[in-house]
Amino acid sequence: KQEVTQIPAALSVPEGENLVLNCSFTDSAIYNLQWFRQDPGKGLTSLLLIQSSQREQTSGRLNASLDKSSGRSTLYIAASQPGDSATYLCAVRAPGWGGSQGNLIFGKGTKLSVKP
Amino acid sequence: ETGVTQSPTHLIKTRGQQVTLRCSSQSGHNTVSWYQQALGQGPQFIFQYYREEENGRGNFPPRFSGLQFPNYSSELNVNALELDDSALYLCASSFSLSLGAETQYFGPGTRLLVL
Repeated sequence: KQEVTQIPAALSVPEGENLVLNCSFTDSAIYNLQWFRQDPGKGLTSLLLIQSSQREQTSGRLNASLDKSSGRSTLYIAASQPGDSATYLCAVRAPGWGGSQGNLIFGKGTKLSVKP
Repeated sequence: ETGVTQSPTHLIKTRGQQVTLRCSSQSGHNTVSWYQQALGQGPQFIFQYYREEENGRGNFPPRFSGLQFPNYSSELNVNALELDDSALYLCASSFSLSLGAETQYFGPGTRLLVL
């Protein structure tokens, strides 16, 4: 059974700092990996999606990497801003479709706080 | 904005009651998935509907049931509510042509509180 773990659970940094969020998964047989942002009490906003054949994706100040063989992904945020404060969730796309594990298997998230 | 809407935004129920949550998919999407997110946890897959048929189900009891309508909107029904059902319920829609590869778009969620 696929399991996704995110470390750290919470992170507080001063504004302007570069930071890395970590995600690990137990089964390397995935279609893709996706990073989401969630503001308190809100839905999910997709940030980056990396296909299983790719190594990384970039969008603005965000860069996500994927190492399928080791079951790891990182989300790098450059020059952090207070507006980046949110919970960041990592999700892997399981093989198959529907089934008992569904399409997306999520970690518990990393709660990021960027202090002015 | 993803084009996926959910109603209501917030709901308070008492233990033992029944609740219906609604999701309107993004235009052109034929698949909807429902997730439950307890406080401090990642979303957990409840079930998925494709062309009005349940296509997969997570580890949730039968009192969690769903429907998908011809216009691809969807309902999640929960009977005999328990305190642990308090959570944010998220729906995600997608267009499935090549099964297993589509991107899901999430709605804003419905916050359910069971007292």
